[in-house]
Amino acid sequence: DADVTQTPRNRITKTGKRIMLECSQTKGHDRMYWYRQDPGLGLRLIYYSFDVKDINKGEISDGYSVSRQAQAKFSLSLESAIPNQTALYFCATGLAMPDTQYFGPGTRLTVL
Amino acid sequence: GEDVEQSLFLSVREGDSSVINCTYTDSSSTYLYWYKQEPGAGLQLLTYIFSNMDMKQDQRLTVLLNKKDKHLSLRIADTQTGDSAIYFCAGAGDQGGKLIFGQGTELSVKP
Repeated sequence: DADVTQTPRNRITKTGKRIMLECSQTKGHDRMYWYRQDPGLGLRLIYYSFDVKDINKGEISDGYSVSRQAQAKFSLSLESAIPNQTALYFCATGLAMPDTQYFGPGTRLTVL
Repeated sequence: GEDVEQSLFLSVREGDSSVINCTYTDSSSTYLYWYKQEPGAGLQLLTYIFSNMDMKQDQRLTVLLNKKDKHLSLRIADTQTGDSAIYFCAGAGDQGGKLIFGQGTELSVKP
């Protein structure tokens, strides 16, 4: 079984809809992250969490929210999806030092 | 904050060496990382180097770090078609626990 799983793997939705992307991990890591990947821009950090009670905004948090339901679960929500949120979304878990991160397979989200 | 830059494309012949370059701005990064992304997959950690090291070798991979020039490189010896992927360098930002990724270098290996 994969250590970091993401659901759904693909999603097509319409502008204005609320969307939740889910991430689960079996690695036992405290740190979890949400990134978005756009062609030519690399990965940009949306939100991160160092433990269940800790949530921090990343570089591009506007239009997104997160929930850390347990050590193993970290969800990303788009309250009202817009077309420029069309992207590949990755969840990752991580260790402190070295700051190595382990990525899920990604969710391809298309907002029409 | 940290900024990480990479060239976008590299094409090599099978069996040649590949060198992927990266420059970064934050000299306080304790570790610098290389990740690999194969088509349709997430990122996979390849290797990392501690900032007080100049070089790290791991099988076909050699990482070189020039702190003076803030330049990081990844050399892949005897490049194979299976090495075709996007390679990302990353450094820690000004706060621990946040990686800043470059744009990624797409490596194409031709038979």
